Amino acid sequence: SQQGEEDPQALSIQEGENATMNCSYKTSINNLQWYRQNSGRGLVHLILIRSNEREKHSGRLRVTLDTSKKSSSLLITASRAADTASYFCATAWAGKSTFGDGTTLTVKP
Amino acid sequence: DVKVTQSSRYLVKRTGEKVFLECVQDMDHENMFWYRQDPGLGLRLIYFSYDVKMKEKGDIPEGYSVSREKKERFSLILESASTNQTSMYLCASSYWLAGDSSGNTIYFGEGSWLTVV
Repeated sequence: SQQGEEDPQALSIQEGENATMNCSYKTSINNLQWYRQNSGRGLVHLILIRSNEREKHSGRLRVTLDTSKKSSSLLITASRAADTASYFCATAWAGKSTFGDGTTLTVKP
Repeated sequence: DVKVTQSSRYLVKRTGEKVFLECVQDMDHENMFWYRQDPGLGLRLIYFSYDVKMKEKGDIPEGYSVSREKKERFSLILESASTNQTSMYLCASSYWLAGDSSGNTIYFGEGSWLTVV
């Protein structure tokens, strides 16, 4: 069963703006990961945050994790047209990862 | 870089045909996975494997089987393809470090688009 649920389902912004996507989940996790998928392609790993971490940065990406609220957010700063893609969160427990339905981000030039 | 290679990018098969989707990874990963992805349904896990000759059912195993005879290769088999199996199929792999379940970065192939007519 799907555990991660992304919000919003779709997001459209102008180039240069920040994009924030949220993920909620229901049960315990070892870690939470964010992936990106360009149209018709495989998923690419962006960032992993462990259950004992609260925030992590990688380039223009910032991920937060609140285990008490069972939620995570992905912030993309200074977005570019090339950031247009679908973004998925995945929760991992005991070696198995479960993916949400994704947020489709469109960045308009 | 890790590479997960799916043998076929696009396939068209007839209802009732036996279909093999092959996947090879080059990083000596213990874990391998098969997902299918459909609009509005996200990624759903079909089968996964933690080791050679081992397999575990995922969330939607019905109508599928898998084979893992070698560590680097994980095959998905549709014994008798049906139109509701038209989908994009994604193979993936990850390492497993004993005693450390906090890892699990998953590496995906480019996907196989299967159309059953």
